Amino acid sequence: AQKVTQAQTEISVVEKEDVTLDCVYETRDTTYYLFWYKQPPSGELVFLIRRNSFDEQNEISGRYSWNFQKSTSSFNFTITASQVVDSAVYFCALSEVTSGTYKYIFGTGTRLKVLA
Amino acid sequence: DGGITQSPKYLFRKEGQNVTLSCEQNLNHDAMYWYRQDPGQGLRLIYYSQIVNDFQKGDIAEGYSVSREKKESFPLTVTSAQKNPTAFYLCASSVFSQSNTDTQYFGPGTRLTVL
Repeated sequence: AQKVTQAQTEISVVEKEDVTLDCVYETRDTTYYLFWYKQPPSGELVFLIRRNSFDEQNEISGRYSWNFQKSTSSFNFTITASQVVDSAVYFCALSEVTSGTYKYIFGTGTRLKVLA
Repeated sequence: DGGITQSPKYLFRKEGQNVTLSCEQNLNHDAMYWYRQDPGQGLRLIYYSQIVNDFQKGDIAEGYSVSREKKESFPLTVTSAQKNPTAFYLCASSVFSQSNTDTQYFGPGTRLTVL
């Protein structure tokens, strides 16, 4: 069955520390997509990244980086030099290419608190 | 500016009443979705629509209804049959393709409280 696990319920760090948010997924499909979203206190989910199952290259965008490893079914997210504005709930999601059926599975989220 | 709007931001309802949540998008997206979010949980899919005048049940459709008469609009009605409707409701939209893997973009959400 498809599943996304974010084992870290809440993480607290001090500003300027690096922090990694873990995401482990389960799927039987060979073709799938992985996503990260940020949910600030305002509530709206903000799209951060989309990665397909055939592209295992790590990606960096400013202070954000993502490490995709198919061998361990993980898609971890690292924030370098964290800032207070990074405080939010972060969701990892999985979307499968399943013929005729829509599937977009979210993890339960990790709440990140960055302390000044 | 292109985006997704949801109204109202906060909604209070008495038990036994139906209530309709609005979702409008001007991104020219074909597909639209409704999710429910409860504290400490991920998002769960209520309904989705990939084309006008067509929609499909998600994982927790019971007690909810939708319509899709226009491409831009996908209202959600929370009926009195929904046993525990207090939650945060998020609407999303995406470009639709056969692969169903397009990125979803979300609105600001509506927080519904049943009194």
